[in-house]
Amino acid sequence: SQQGEEDPQALSIQEGENATMNCSYKTSINNLQWYRQNSGRGLVHLILIRSNEREKHSGRLRVTLDTSKKSSSLLITASRAADTASYFCATDVAGSNYKLTFGKGTLLTVNP
Amino acid sequence: DAMVIQNPRYQVTQFGKPVTLSCSQTLNHNVMYWYQQKSSQAPKLLFHYYDKDFNNEADTPDNFQSRRPNTSFCFLDIRSPGLGDAAMYLCATSTHSGGYNEQFFGPGTRLTVL
Repeated sequence: SQQGEEDPQALSIQEGENATMNCSYKTSINNLQWYRQNSGRGLVHLILIRSNEREKHSGRLRVTLDTSKKSSSLLITASRAADTASYFCATDVAGSNYKLTFGKGTLLTVNP
Repeated sequence: DAMVIQNPRYQVTQFGKPVTLSCSQTLNHNVMYWYQQKSSQAPKLLFHYYDKDFNNEADTPDNFQSRRPNTSFCFLDIRSPGLGDAAMYLCATSTHSGGYNEQFFGPGTRLTVL
């Protein structure tokens, strides 16, 4: 079964607005990661948050983690057209033998 | 720059004709992964190597094989491609030190099966 589920599946906003994507998971994790994928390209790692952390920032990105609810959110502030991409959460499940389990992704479109 | 390279970027093969995709890395990472990604779906892990130790996912078809002759290179062999194997194939690497295991992806190989 899918470990990570992103919500929404697709999000369309105007440049300058904030974009929030959510991820839910089912089992205990070591960490949760967010990746970005431009159309037809490989994935790029954005940010990692450990299970004992609640919030993390990197530039215009803010990630939160609520292990009691088994959920995470990714906030992109002051979005740009270049932020248009698919965003995936990935969980490092305890005992997973170096594997990540990816969610289905959120397709973000930022309109200029 | 340290990176993950995949060749070719686009591969066209015929139904049933074996094909090999290659991946190389200059990051000196000990773990290498192969993913299959179909349109608008999440990457699906096929298998991974920790050094020379091969780890196959339970639902990876026997049609898919892999080789890792050294730290830098990893190959994906599809013995008899079917139409359903048309997809983007992504190679990734990671190192597991200090509790950080983010993966570094190559640009992918888009496989078309005719």
